[in-house]
Amino acid sequence: DGGITQSPKYLFRKEGQNVTLSCEQNLNHDAMYWYRQDPGQGLRLIYYSQIVNDFQKGDIAEGYSVSREKKESFPLTVTSAQKNPTAFYLCASSFFLATNEKLLFGSGTQLSVL
Amino acid sequence: KQEVTQIPAALSVPEGENLVLNCSFTDSAIYNLQWFRQDPGKGLTSLLLIQSSQREQTSGRLNASLDKSSGRSTLYIAASQPGDSATYLCAVRPRDSNYQLIWGAGTKLIIKP
Repeated sequence: DGGITQSPKYLFRKEGQNVTLSCEQNLNHDAMYWYRQDPGQGLRLIYYSQIVNDFQKGDIAEGYSVSREKKESFPLTVTSAQKNPTAFYLCASSFFLATNEKLLFGSGTQLSVL
Repeated sequence: KQEVTQIPAALSVPEGENLVLNCSFTDSAIYNLQWFRQDPGKGLTSLLLIQSSQREQTSGRLNASLDKSSGRSTLYIAASQPGDSATYLCAVRPRDSNYQLIWGAGTKLIIKP
């Protein structure tokens, strides 16, 4: 079955540590996205990628980094520069970066600080 | 700056009732509006997408309407069931972007058996 797989489901970060969240899709989608979800707030865009080897900052990119070396994979690294990383992180994809494309979401990763 | 608001933040109704969820936005310059469902600790599932030129979209027991001039959308759920319990989020696609979605914070719906 095609879909988006995020791992791990739960992740704990120690102070000063970088952690990487995995996102893999087998839908042959070109566009991929990372969102952050905090309680009581709407989703906020961290990074997005339109095509392999290309990615752009979203609204809250500071303290995060991404790579897009393969079409299927779009990992997100939460660096030590992100001082408030506790949140639910969602990866999404769509066929194209276009106005009427529906997004398909992964099941999310809950990141907490130890 | 586009802002999306969903009121109420939480709603609890008995099973079998018809109900309406609300979504308002401040700028009518949008390509479309989407409704999503999110189960606890899970990702989002797209329910309905309404183009700016459309007035409503239907899928099963769900009907979404769009009034762009007043900056409002409603999601109507007919004959509610306990399985409809979830958080419902709306998001608008601004007309000046092909990648951005502006999200509401969601309405948490509980259907009591």
